[in-house]
Amino acid sequence: AQTVTQSQPEMSVQEAETVTLSCTYDTSESDYYLFWYKQPPSRQMILVIRQEAYKQQNATENRFSVNFQKAAKSFSLKISDSQLGDAAMYFCAYKVSGTYKYIFGTGTRLKVLA
Amino acid sequence: DAGVIQSPRHEVTEMGQEVTLRCKPISGHDYLFWYRQTMMRGLELLIYFNNNVPIDDSGMPEDRFSAKMPNASFSTLKIQPSEPRDSAVYFCASSLAGAEAFFGQGTRLTVV
Repeated sequence: AQTVTQSQPEMSVQEAETVTLSCTYDTSESDYYLFWYKQPPSRQMILVIRQEAYKQQNATENRFSVNFQKAAKSFSLKISDSQLGDAAMYFCAYKVSGTYKYIFGTGTRLKVLA
Repeated sequence: DAGVIQSPRHEVTEMGQEVTLRCKPISGHDYLFWYRQTMMRGLELLIYFNNNVPIDDSGMPEDRFSAKMPNASFSTLKIQPSEPRDSAVYFCASSLAGAEAFFGQGTRLTVV
C-alpha cells in the first residue's frame, strides 16, 4: 500500500532560523511526484514545492528546498530564514505519475517564534 | 486567475437537511477533485472528474453523498440527508492534465 508518513506532529523554529520537516513514503512505483502543501489558518491548501521522482536534483523555491532521497524514500522540506508567515500546517503528498489520486500525510504544525 | 472558488465558506445545518457545496475550478483545468478533511482521517479524496466525467468515486462514503459536474466551470457536492458525522472541511481542487492540484479555501460544514 502507498503511504505517506510525517512523524513530527509539531515543530517550532525561531524567526530567521532554519527548520526541516520530515516525510517518508512507501511505494513500489518508480515514477511519481512528491509535494509539500502549506495550510495556514485561512485553511487554504497552498502548493509550496514539488519534486518529480525521476529528477535527481532537489527542487528549490526561494526559501524552500527539499532533500529528496529516492532510495530511502525520504522527502524532507527545509525552510530557511523562517518568517512569521510560515506558521502553518505542512502536508507532504504523493502521486503516482499518470494517476490522479494524491496520498497525504497527517501534517506537521509549524510554529514560528518571534 | 482567481483560483479555485468554493462556496459557502461556512455552512451550519441541522441533521437531516440537504447540503450543497459548490466549486468553480480554475479556468482551463480538466481535473476536479473533492476532498474531505477531518482531524481523525486527515485529507480524503471523495471523487474526481476528468473533463466533467466522474472517474473515481470510490471515496464517497455513502449513498447520501453525490457529486455532479454539469460543465467545465462548476461542480457540486451534495449530502442528503446530512448527519453530524459529516461535519468536516470540504475542499475542491483542480489541476491541468493531472499536474499539481490547486485547492480552494474549503467549506467548513457543521451538522448539528
